[in-house]
This record gives sequence, C-alpha cells and structure tokens, in this order.
Amino acid sequence: AQSVTQLDSHVSVSEGTPVLLRCNYSSSYSPSLFWYVQHPNKGLQLLLKYTSAATLVKGINGFEAEFKKSETSFHLTKPSAHMSDAAEYFCVVSEQFSGGYNKLIFGAGTRLAVHP
Amino acid sequence: KAGVTQTPRYLIKTRGQQVTLSCSPISGHRSVSWYQQTPGQGLQFLFEYFSETQRNKGNFPGRFSGRQFSNSRSEMNVSTLELGDSALYLCASSGGLAGGEETQYFGPGTRLLVL
Repeated sequence: AQSVTQLDSHVSVSEGTPVLLRCNYSSSYSPSLFWYVQHPNKGLQLLLKYTSAATLVKGINGFEAEFKKSETSFHLTKPSAHMSDAAEYFCVVSEQFSGGYNKLIFGAGTRLAVHP
Repeated sequence: KAGVTQTPRYLIKTRGQQVTLSCSPISGHRSVSWYQQTPGQGLQFLFEYFSETQRNKGNFPGRFSGRQFSNSRSEMNVSTLELGDSALYLCASSGGLAGGEETQYFGPGTRLLVL
C-alpha cells in the first residue's frame, strides 16, 4: 500500500529565508507524487508533480521538489519565503488502479507560518 | 477554462437530516473524485466516478453515496447525518484515463456543519 509521511506538522520561517517541507513516501512501484497547497478556507491548489521524468521538479510560485528514490523522499523547497506562502501544504502519492484511474493518498499536512 | 465548482459553499444541518452536495468538473473532464477533510482524520478519499460509474470507493459507511450525470456533474449524498460528518468536502476532477500521472484539480469545497 502507498503512504506518505510529512515529517513536520508545523514549520515557522522568517520572510526572505529558505523553506524546507519534508515528505517521505512508501510505494511498491515508481510513484507519482504531488505537492498541493491549501490557503485558509480555500480548496487545494497544485504546486508541482513528479511523474518519473526529471527528478528535480519546478512548480509555481518559486517552489521546487526533488525526488530521491534512495531516500524515498520528496521534499519541497523555496529559496526565499514570502508572507503569502503561509498556508498548509500536503504531500500526496497517487495510488494507481487498472482502468486508468487513480486515488490520491494525502500526508497529514504541514502548516507553514511566515513571520515578518 | 472555468475551474471546478462546488455548491453550496456552506451548509448547516442537524443530526438525522440528509444533505446533497454538488460538483461541476472542469469542462472535458470525465472523472470526479470526492474527499472529506477533517482536523482529526485529514483528507480521506470517499469515491470516484467516471462516465456515470463508480470506479472506486473509500472506507466510509453506506450513508455516504454519490452519483454522476451524463454531463459529468456529480453529487454526493450523506443520509442520517452525524456530528462527525462535519467536515470540508472537496471535489476534484481529472480526465480519468491517464492513471497515476494524472493531476486532479480541486474545487473550493463545501463546508458542512452538523449540529
């Protein structure tokens, strides 16, 4: 069975400093991995996804993530935090089924706080 | 292209009542998935529909049901509401044929409060 573990439930950074949100996954085959962001009282927005192409994936708003198979990790980074980055971030693995569809399995989420 | 829309955005119900939530996918998308988000359990998969057929179901009681119409719009129904059903219900749409690599696009959610 597929699963994801987000290693930090809360991360706090100062504006302008780097962001690192950690995610480990468990999968019996080459996974599809996603990072979604949820701002307060909003739905989920896709930040980026990995689907077995380049291991370094660039997403929106300056975020990127690196797929490391040897470490089963897919950590999300950003060089310089902005106040608007304050939100909850979800690492997600896609569980595949025959028939062409998938089911998303979510990590517990990491709440990012950005201080002036 | 318009995104995924969900109606209503907010609902207040009392225990024992039933509720119906609606989701309109992105134009051209044929797959609609539903998720429940609660502070205690996080985000959990409810079910997925494609071309009016349920292809997959999560581990929820039979009080949770859904359907999909020929225009790909989907509804979910919760009968005999319980306090624990209070949650944000999210709908996501995708093409439905590309398997694990496919991106699901989420709507803003319906927040249900059961009193």
